[in-house]
Formats: sequence, structure tokens, C-alpha cells
Amino acid sequence: SSELTQDPAVSVALGQTVRITCQGDSLRSYYASWYQQKPGQAPVLVIYGKNNRPSGIPDRFSGSSSGNTASLTITGAQAEDEADYYCNSRDSSGKGVFGGGTKLTVL
Amino acid sequence: EVQLVESGGGLVKPGGSLRLSCAASGFTFSSYSMNWVRQAPGKGLEWVSSISSSSSYIYYADSVKGRFTISRDNAKNSLYLQMNSLRAEDTAVYYCARDAYDLYAFDIWGQGTMVTVSS
Repeated sequence: SSELTQDPAVSVALGQTVRITCQGDSLRSYYASWYQQKPGQAPVLVIYGKNNRPSGIPDRFSGSSSGNTASLTITGAQAEDEADYYCNSRDSSGKGVFGGGTKLTVL
Repeated sequence: EVQLVESGGGLVKPGGSLRLSCAASGFTFSSYSMNWVRQAPGKGLEWVSSISSSSSYIYYADSVKGRFTISRDNAKNSLYLQMNSLRAEDTAVYYCARDAYDLYAFDIWGQGTMVTVSS
């Protein structure tokens, strides 16, 4: 089965730029999606496809991909961006897979 | 309003069964693939199962294959997860989620329903 690997924790100073990465062989063939989850809440989709933001997601969130690595970039991080971030995709058999999640701290 | 509402969670003994339901409203349910995703207490998200819009394609995580069955009733705008032979490690919040673009991009999530497997 395919796996997606994320750094467990990342920190960023308020107003600075942070990149959260997701690695996995399946990302060479399929796009990653990114989710933000705050305590006690359901996840929220923030990036999907090549670099698409659902309605209502601030444009400081962007996505990119190179080889087996997908990245979520937050340009000008805000206090409200402090959350857990998850990537997900699919594998070649059609099954879904999530990364282990990255806890983002905004200092 | 586009909405997903899960129900059916609760406390069950190891080896027991439970059936989760997810009621969809505010969108054309029959046009979308749907998924179940779970989250154990204090842990990350785990994809559980997916079903295509017409039920033609169904997939399961290895951890639940042979024990869980996903199904849907497009006439009732409902998604289901039949869970049998439950184990302690199945304890989690179970979310249903809509795949808006068939990209495993889940744009709408329910509030989740808690399943606790314990003796």
C-alpha cells in the first residue's frame, strides 16, 4: 500500500511564509489534496488538484508538486492558521491514503 | 445548505457490529463519489472506504477489508458503512466526506460520529 509522509511539526513566525511537505511514490502520478483541521472540528479542504483553492479559502494558501513531493505553502501565516494539516491522495489501486499530519504552530 | 450528517455511532463490544449512516442534503448526491474517513482519539486521519456515484467502484483500506461494507442509496441521499467484527483499534470518530472532483479531494465533511469498541 502507498504511504504519504509528513513532518510531524512545523513552526512559523507570524506573517512569515511556511511550507509543509508531503512525500510519497503515488504523488508522482496523482495530485495531493490538503486539509486544515482545528481541535474538535472536521477537516477543511484548502488545496486540491494542481493548485486549486475551494471557495472561501484565503489566497495565502497555495500548493505545488515536484516528483514525489507535494507542498502546501502559507504566505504570510496568520494566527488562525495554527492547526493540523493533512495531505491525501490515492494509490495506483484506487485506494485513498492520508499523510500522518503536520502540526503547525504560529509563533 | 450543503450538508452531511452522520449517525449510528456508539459503544459496542469487540466482535460486535454497527451500521453508520450519512444523510446528504443540499446537493445532487447521486453525482458524487463518497468516502468514509476515521480519526482515532489523538491520532491522524485514516481513509477507510470509497464508493463511486453509481456504486460501480468500491475500495477499502486494508485495515477494514473483509469486515466493513460501504453502500449507498441514491434515492434516499444516504451513505452507509456496515462494520462487523469490530476491534478496539476501530475506535474513532467516523466522518463521511464528499469527493467533489473524483480526485480524492474531500470538499464536504460531516461532523463525525464516535464509535467506541470496548468490553
